[in-house]
Amino acid sequence: DTGVSQDPRHKITKRGQNVTFRCDPISEHNRLYWYRQTLGQGPEFLTYFQNEAQLEKSRLLSDRFSAERPKGSFSTLEIQRTEQGDSAMYLCASSSGLAANTGELFFGEGSRLTVL
Amino acid sequence: AQSVTQLGSHVSVSEGALVLLRCNYSSSVPPYLFWYVQYPNQGLQLLLKYTSAATLVKGINDFEAEFKKSETSFHLTKPSAHMSDAAEYFCAVRDSSASKIIFGSGTRLSIRP
Repeated sequence: DTGVSQDPRHKITKRGQNVTFRCDPISEHNRLYWYRQTLGQGPEFLTYFQNEAQLEKSRLLSDRFSAERPKGSFSTLEIQRTEQGDSAMYLCASSSGLAANTGELFFGEGSRLTVL
Repeated sequence: AQSVTQLGSHVSVSEGALVLLRCNYSSSVPPYLFWYVQYPNQGLQLLLKYTSAATLVKGINDFEAEFKKSETSFHLTKPSAHMSDAAEYFCAVRDSSASKIIFGSGTRLSIRP
């Protein structure tokens, strides 16, 4: 399968712990996005990369959140000192070329975080 | 700023009936609009997109949407619902900087046998 893959699919952690999610985009895609989705809501933009450069960060992304894409391939999203309000599905998407120009995104299945 | 509003968080139709999911947009520039579908335990998939070409856009699984500038609408329709259409549907718009897309809150579609 050559789609976007995310790991882990589910993570349960205790409040105050750090968690890290990984996203492997479609191999030829140079844009990579992170979104967050809570129950009953649509995905909310968090941040995006063009190659290894992080070009935009949402105000939703507090100082406890950090994302990297060190070699322009896979990306990680780390949440430090987790809070119960961080419980959500974290979605990764990628895009490239004409699809990127129109805004079309290819999504992974998401990583669900539960903070106890 | 670009935004979309989906009217109705939950729509229920009978199998074989018309599906109509409503979306209105707000955009300061000619919009690029999308409908995405999320089946249970799966990632979001693009259903169809409007990129300023034909105003009637056809997508997968017999879904289509019509861009109406005068009504600032981009409603999704399907002539005959199938049980497999049960899912969450999201309307979305590309933001003015073309850096990302902005999603609506979603409409859950249920199909009655």
